[in-house]
Amino acid sequence: DVKVTQSSRYLVKRTGEKVFLECVQDMDHENMFWYRQDPGLGLRLIYFSYDVKMKEKGDIPEGYSVSREKKERFSLILESASTNQTSMYLCASYPTPGQGVYEQYFGPGTRLTVT
Amino acid sequence: AQSVTQLDSQVPVFEEAPVELRCNYSSSVSVYLFWYVQYPNQGLQLLLKYLSGSTLVESINGFEAEFNKSQTSFHLRKPSVHISDTAEYFCAVSREYGNKLVFGAGTILRVKS
Repeated sequence: DVKVTQSSRYLVKRTGEKVFLECVQDMDHENMFWYRQDPGLGLRLIYFSYDVKMKEKGDIPEGYSVSREKKERFSLILESASTNQTSMYLCASYPTPGQGVYEQYFGPGTRLTVT
Repeated sequence: AQSVTQLDSQVPVFEEAPVELRCNYSSSVSVYLFWYVQYPNQGLQLLLKYLSGSTLVESINGFEAEFNKSQTSFHLRKPSVHISDTAEYFCAVSREYGNKLVFGAGTILRVKS
């Protein structure tokens, strides 16, 4: 079974803090994603990575950065947390197309509250 | 650019009744279509997908969806729902077999006894 784990289920941080959200997958997938989920807006892509040290901006990258030093780990960084970044953050991984698998595997999510 | 519209934010239904969750997409190119489900306090799981071939696709737990190219729709249906189907359902579209998904806003299905 593919497993995607996220370092925390719930996190409370103060405005201005630097926040790290960690994601680890155990299936050697090349592609990894960070989404934020907000009621009425669905999931929106923040950043994705298709290889180690490679990253691309998604639809809402402002205020976020990412790091992928190892294939299995993809970190989301909030350089200076703000209250409008209070949200549920979901990580996902996806193998190279052509391996017969066409679904993204999601972690359980981290609910971040910024006060 | 692609976009996905889920026409209902919440759908309440009684147990054993049929249900349809609507999804329309817009895209200027061929797309691949997905339904994901999120049970309370969990991440998303793939429910079913359309990549090519038969326009009617089915899941193992009784859901089905039909790809309608002319109406740009991919509605999700189940003839008889259970309490355990209570969840949020997301329609998604991709140009790349499931990579780089664009999601709809989600529909909360509430099954009542």
